[in-house]
Amino acid sequence: EADIYQTPRYLVIGTGKKITLECSQTMGHDKMYWYQQDPGMELHLIHYSYGVNSTEKGDLSSESTVSRIRTEHFPLTLESARPSHTSQYLCASAASGGESSYNEQFFGPGTRLTVL
Amino acid sequence: GQNIDQPTEMTATEGAIVQINCTYQTSGFNGLFWYQQHAGEAPTFLSYNVLDGLEEKGRFSSFLSRSKGYSYLLLKELQMKDSASYLCAVRERPTYNAGNMLTFGGGTRLMVKP
Repeated sequence: EADIYQTPRYLVIGTGKKITLECSQTMGHDKMYWYQQDPGMELHLIHYSYGVNSTEKGDLSSESTVSRIRTEHFPLTLESARPSHTSQYLCASAASGGESSYNEQFFGPGTRLTVL
Repeated sequence: GQNIDQPTEMTATEGAIVQINCTYQTSGFNGLFWYQQHAGEAPTFLSYNVLDGLEEKGRFSSFLSRSKGYSYLLLKELQMKDSASYLCAVRERPTYNAGNMLTFGGGTRLMVKP
């Protein structure tokens, strides 16, 4: 069982509010990722990190920002939420090479965000 | 960049066998993953192929042909709980110190009927 956590699980918020989605993992993984997934649609990578103080934007343009001050923590922030941000946000982490031949990504339970 | 195709939906009968195909195009292949995702839940890892051939894991098997850009996931002795989306994801060879990036296909929604 993967030890990766996301809070909140569900969030309904009004337009213009600032929100932070939390993601933490206790596996000591260097690599962490944020994906956005609409119902029945594919996962799109919006941010990733290869270690502390390392963050990069993913393939899908996003108005969100991330930070990686501690290995275990990778929060995602929306400065001003809009209805177009309504989606499910999935956090994932993976080990670096040498720990596992697969280095598969482990996913958190997700945050379902609704912006009114 | 990468392009990954898999059927949108499939239906099968409990106890049967189903094969879910995935084709991909990539500039630097470095492994293919299959994930299972139940509705409203997070994806969970099923299998990994990096060399050609078949990998078997209980009721699930995954096959890879790198020359054809093709993989399939085979589910045997289907159970109702196997109703879920199955995601094919390809890992691309890193160009700098930044590995383990996955590109996901749209997923195949499998419905298992009694």
